[in-house]
Amino acid sequence: AQTVTQSQPEMSVQEAETVTLSCTYDTSENNYYLFWYKQPPSRQMILVIRQEAYKQQNATENRFSVNFQKAAKSFSLKISDSQLGDTAMYFCAFSDSGGGADGLTFGKGTHLIIQP
Amino acid sequence: NAGVTQTPKFRILKIGQSMTLQCAQDMNHNYMYWYRQDPGMGLKLIYYSVGAGITDKGEVPNGYNVSRSTTEDFPLRLELAAPSQTSVYFCASSYVGTGYNEQFFGPGTRLTVL
Repeated sequence: AQTVTQSQPEMSVQEAETVTLSCTYDTSENNYYLFWYKQPPSRQMILVIRQEAYKQQNATENRFSVNFQKAAKSFSLKISDSQLGDTAMYFCAFSDSGGGADGLTFGKGTHLIIQP
Repeated sequence: NAGVTQTPKFRILKIGQSMTLQCAQDMNHNYMYWYRQDPGMGLKLIYYSVGAGITDKGEVPNGYNVSRSTTEDFPLRLELAAPSQTSVYFCASSYVGTGYNEQFFGPGTRLTVL
């Protein structure tokens, strides 16, 4: 079974700063997918970014980028020019090579607070 | 498209009561999922379905039942509610074909068992 670990329960930064959220995972598979989800106070789960393990290039989506280290089984999320609206819980998630057909495995989350 | 809808949004149950959480999607997705999120934790998979008439257990299925009679609907049944089932429940769906398949989540149902 896969496991996902987020070691930072809470982080706080000033608006416009850059922040990095950490995630490590454990799997014996070679092909898989990794995701970062955002959960604002509304509870809605919002996909922020995804990474396919077979791609060496790190994924980017506007101000969000990842640092994917396959050998180290590390998948961190970098948020540049942080905004007040980025305040939320952030979850790292893993999916097997079936693209999530058997469901996602989530970490416990990091509560990110952006201070004005 | 309404996406994934869940009812009710909130519910309080007494120990031993039963209820059904409703989930529907209008995106013609073949896969549907139920997750629970306990306070301070990530989501854990309860059950999932690969199509009408086919369901399978996830990580935490005990105390729950599901059915999938149509492509659109995937209700979650709680029998004999217990305080340990106090949680937020999320339904999700995806179209699984080849490659990556994004899961779309509903807004969640907050359930309290007292």
